[in-house]
Amino acid sequence: ILNVEQSPQSLHVQEGDSTNFTCSFPSSNFYALHWYRWETAKSPKALFVMTLNGDEKKKGRISATLNTKEGYSYLYIKGSQPEDSATYLCAFALNTGTASKLTFGTGTRLQVTL
Amino acid sequence: DAGVIQSPRHEVTEMGQEVTLRCKPISGHNSLFWYRQTMMRGLELLIYFNNNVPIDDSGMPEDRFSAKMPNASFSTLKIQPSEPRDSAVYFCASSYRQGSYNEQFFGPGTRLTVL
Repeated sequence: ILNVEQSPQSLHVQEGDSTNFTCSFPSSNFYALHWYRWETAKSPKALFVMTLNGDEKKKGRISATLNTKEGYSYLYIKGSQPEDSATYLCAFALNTGTASKLTFGTGTRLQVTL
Repeated sequence: DAGVIQSPRHEVTEMGQEVTLRCKPISGHNSLFWYRQTMMRGLELLIYFNNNVPIDDSGMPEDRFSAKMPNASFSTLKIQPSEPRDSAVYFCASSYRQGSYNEQFFGPGTRLTVL
């Protein structure tokens, strides 16, 4: 069983604060690491797919980094806004013949208040 | 494109009844995934298909669960007989190619309640 862990489980910040979360995954047989954003009562939507050690991706105020050797990825949100409130999921893909299969972490629930 | 379409959006049934969940993937996508979301276990992959062929069904909880993909534009997940512990949100997702580089697009989910 693959262990994908996310921390913290939940986070409550004020508008304008910058924040970051962690995703830990097995460092062997790495294939890809996905980040998804999941708003309440909606479905998960992909933010980033990362494949190379040292990868950095950015979309607006959200960015992510990847360290495949030590098995972690960070997601950063700069200047949090209420609309950033959501659960952020990471998902790990193992390098096997079934590379399509993703193992999801349990997510970090972010709440941004005014 | 309308995105991944799932039906019904909500289903309430009684224990022992058969439940069928339906999914239409995004046109042109050739991988389809069924997930279940519960408070206890988060998002779990039940089964996935590539080019309509089931590739990995190791996440299917037991024989009461079955899934089919008769063509590229339709898949079903069936539970027979249903039990209260099957209550969860079931998501269908699709992607363009085999391989996890490719973003998975999720449907809106079906919320199943088994009484």
